[in-house]
Amino acid sequence: GQQLNQSPQSMFIQEGEDVSMNCTSSSIFNTWLWYKQEPGEGPVLLIALYKAGELTSNGRLTAQFGITRKDSFLNISASIPSDVGIYFCAGQNYGGSQGNLIFGKGTKLSVKP
Amino acid sequence: NAGVTQTPKFRVLKTGQSMTLLCAQDMNHEYMYWYRQDPGMGLRLIHYSVGEGTTAKGEVPDGYNVSRLKKQNFLLGLESAAPSQTSVYFCASVSRQGALGYTFGSGTRLTVV
Repeated sequence: GQQLNQSPQSMFIQEGEDVSMNCTSSSIFNTWLWYKQEPGEGPVLLIALYKAGELTSNGRLTAQFGITRKDSFLNISASIPSDVGIYFCAGQNYGGSQGNLIFGKGTKLSVKP
Repeated sequence: NAGVTQTPKFRVLKTGQSMTLLCAQDMNHEYMYWYRQDPGMGLRLIHYSVGEGTTAKGEVPDGYNVSRLKKQNFLLGLESAAPSQTSVYFCASVSRQGALGYTFGSGTRLTVV
């Protein structure tokens, strides 16, 4: 089945630094999504991308849908301690079981005040 | 506005015992999902349902059964628990295929000893 490679697996950064993480796939997706999971909670949707080349922002977060439709990037600017958590990318297609989300393995972000 | 509610939040089982995890959503969503989350493995789909009375296998269905007798509830059963089923289980729902992201519950932490 389809698999997503998400990197890096973990990041330890200083408050105020910018963060970049990415997700690649061997096959294309129609939609890319980015989720954040805080300790003890379920993932929460941050950004959804629907078109190749699309660049979307949500506050300090910016995500891009790669031109090839096989990758996506998430950037966090000027990180703060509450950015701590696990960030998951997810790809989605349409039709039958392909409508199900495929998740990356996550990027664990730690922020030092 | 409860969203997706999972019960119980924590459970410890002995090998061979059975139990049922309950997921309830109050958003009238058609699609519901059960995932397991293990360190470094991301979210893996166990079973899903595209509507009341329907279920389908996901990526890792062995050892689990599910039922969707009512639209708002999706039950995950373990007939004979094994230590390999120690995990955090998440339920999610979405209104229709291709809709904007999933809504996740806050998880059930299951330990099988």
